[in-house]
Amino acid sequence: EDQVTQSPEALRLQEGESSSLNCSYTVSGLRGLFWYRQDPGKGPEFLFTLYSAGEEKEKERLKATLTKKESFLHITAPKPEDSATYLCAVQARGSYIPTFGRGTSLIVHP
Amino acid sequence: DSGVTQTPKHLITATGQRVTLRCSPRSGDLSVYWYQQSLDQGLQFLIQYYNGEERAKGNILERFSAQQFPDLHSELNLSSLELGDSALYFCASSVGGLGVGTDTQYFGPGTRLTVL
Repeated sequence: EDQVTQSPEALRLQEGESSSLNCSYTVSGLRGLFWYRQDPGKGPEFLFTLYSAGEEKEKERLKATLTKKESFLHITAPKPEDSATYLCAVQARGSYIPTFGRGTSLIVHP
Repeated sequence: DSGVTQTPKHLITATGQRVTLRCSPRSGDLSVYWYQQSLDQGLQFLIQYYNGEERAKGNILERFSAQQFPDLHSELNLSSLELGDSALYFCASSVGGLGVGTDTQYFGPGTRLTVL
C-alpha cells in the first residue's frame, strides 16, 4: 500500500527564515510526486510534479527536490503570504489515483 | 483560478436529505475526481470518471454516487445524509491520458456541506 508521511505537521517561521518541508513516501514504482498548496477553506493549488530521483523544480521562493524515498519542498526567504498547508501526493505506476499526505501547516510571521 | 468550477459553494441541509454537487472540469480534461476533506481525515479520494466511464473507486459510501455526463461535467449525489458527512467536497480534473504530465490534477474551489 502506498504511504505518504509529511513532516513536520506544523512549522512557524519568521519572514526571511528559510526552511524545508519533508515528504517521505513508499510506493511500488513511482509514476509521479505532486506538491500542492492549500489555503484554509479553498481547493489545493498545484505547485509541482516530479517524476524521477534527482529532479528539481522551482517556482518563485519554492524549490522541490526528489530522491527515491523522499521529497523536499525548500522555501527560501518566505513571506507571510506563503502561509498555507502544503500537501504532498504520490502516484504509483499503473494507478490512476494519488495518495495524499496529511500536509504541513506553514505559518510565516512578519 | 484552476479552471475547475464547482457549485454550490455552500450547502446546508438536514440529516436524511439528499444533495447534488456539480463540477465542470478544465477545458480539454477528460478525467474528473471527487474528494472529501474533513478535519480528522485529510483528503480522501472518493471516485474517478474518465470520459464518462467510472475508472477508479476509493472509500465511497454506498449512499454516495456520481456520474460524468457527455459534456464531461460531473455530479456527486449524497443521500440519506448523516452529521458525519459534513465536510468539504472537492472536484479535480486532469487530462487523464498516459503521457507525462497528464496525471496532474487541478482542483476546484470546493463545496462546503453542512448537515444539521
